[in-house]
Amino acid sequence: NAGVMQNPRHLVRRRGQEARLRCSPMKGHSHVYWYRQLPEEGLKFMVYLQKENIIDESGMPKERFSAEFPKEGPSILRIQQVVRGDSAAYFCASSPPGPGYGYTFGSGTRLTVV
Amino acid sequence: EDQVTQSPEALRLQEGESSSLNCSYTVSGLRGLFWYRQDPGKGPEFLFTLYSAGEEKEKERLKATLTKKESFLHITAPKPEDSATYLCAVQGGSEKLVFGKGTKLTVNP
Repeated sequence: NAGVMQNPRHLVRRRGQEARLRCSPMKGHSHVYWYRQLPEEGLKFMVYLQKENIIDESGMPKERFSAEFPKEGPSILRIQQVVRGDSAAYFCASSPPGPGYGYTFGSGTRLTVV
Repeated sequence: EDQVTQSPEALRLQEGESSSLNCSYTVSGLRGLFWYRQDPGKGPEFLFTLYSAGEEKEKERLKATLTKKESFLHITAPKPEDSATYLCAVQGGSEKLVFGKGTKLTVNP
């Protein structure tokens, strides 16, 4: 039973390029969450998605960031025109439907903008 | 707005020296309080969920407790392999978990 799969594990982009981060949730999990973690900072919520729907994007920067969870395939977090401040670890998590369930996290994608 | 404050930020223990980590929270309508462990370069690993004041859960050397305002993670006779950052999170009215900044625990042999 595979856990939450994220790829790539490490991603290097030059300023102005696009970054695409992928996340496949655990089997049976229909809820996907993206979090960002900066050094010495806690995990910051970005977006919560279900299949084909964005449920809560209150933590997403207004510009350059977007997320999707299509009917088929993984969830994608897209960052356009990356800047140095986007360098961080991005974690995806999934959970079953309903409140009170803990998330299962992936191993993260470490984005470095040079 | 839901908030979580963890203390101390860092804790150094000798092997076998028991201690507790604190998680203070404010949330409208607590649906769950979660403890995670995170090792360097890895994603958080789920430890416990607590749902109501008075609840306690144990796993090996770890015991989590919950009151209406805070949660404690008690570590009994820790070993070096318990060294990690321990994260606390709450789930309130929305589905998202709100995390504290964590407590970095170092257990020296």
